[in-house]
Amino acid sequence: AAGVIQSPRHLIKEKRETATLKCYPIPRHDTVYWYQQGPGQDPQFLISFYEKMQSDKGSIPDRFSAQQFSDYHSELNMSSLELGDSALYFCASSWRQKRDSPLHFGNGTRLTVT
Amino acid sequence: AQTVTQSQPEMSVQEAETVTLSCTYDTSESDYYLFWYKQPPSRQMILVIRQEAYKQQNATENRFSVNFQKAAKSFSLKISDSQLGDAAMYFCAYRSAPLNYGGSQGNLIFGKGTKLSVKP
Repeated sequence: AAGVIQSPRHLIKEKRETATLKCYPIPRHDTVYWYQQGPGQDPQFLISFYEKMQSDKGSIPDRFSAQQFSDYHSELNMSSLELGDSALYFCASSWRQKRDSPLHFGNGTRLTVT
Repeated sequence: AQTVTQSQPEMSVQEAETVTLSCTYDTSESDYYLFWYKQPPSRQMILVIRQEAYKQQNATENRFSVNFQKAAKSFSLKISDSQLGDAAMYFCAYRSAPLNYGGSQGNLIFGKGTKLSVKP
């Protein structure tokens, strides 16, 4: 079965640079979620989208922005990167029309800021 | 706001034995979902089992089962016949149910996790 695809798998950036993470949800899934997981931490919710509209917002810094496109893929844009942004970034998708649809996670993008 | 608490930072089990991971949560909602996710060293997030609050019957998935106590707001995970591949971080998670058909599904709220080691 198709899974959530995230790219790139690994990314190394320097402080103050920008980064773009991409997420391709499972076919038919219309909702995308972004999570940040620091070392030894639980995943923290950043933001979610449904039908290209922002659905919910969590602890996403103002330096970050995200959007969902017409093909349902989503991109997380991160600017003015800081050392503390080094983390594993997960994208997850679900299908809103199925009430008990769980979140399916991608393999994550590991971002290292030096 | 909803919270999820996992009081066991680390647990250990002997291969082929049974282990139970604890999870409690706090909510004022009556309808919601509870999940256990497994995160092995590869850092993938893998869904292990899920439970809807309205269903009284405890969910089971092969060697994994839950003990859902709604009144006590407790949701423990039991792993039977533990295998070496079960070694991972286990996260308990809460999610609000949509208010109506096609309504917004809440995001997952995670506990801090329990690191499970399996001894051969």
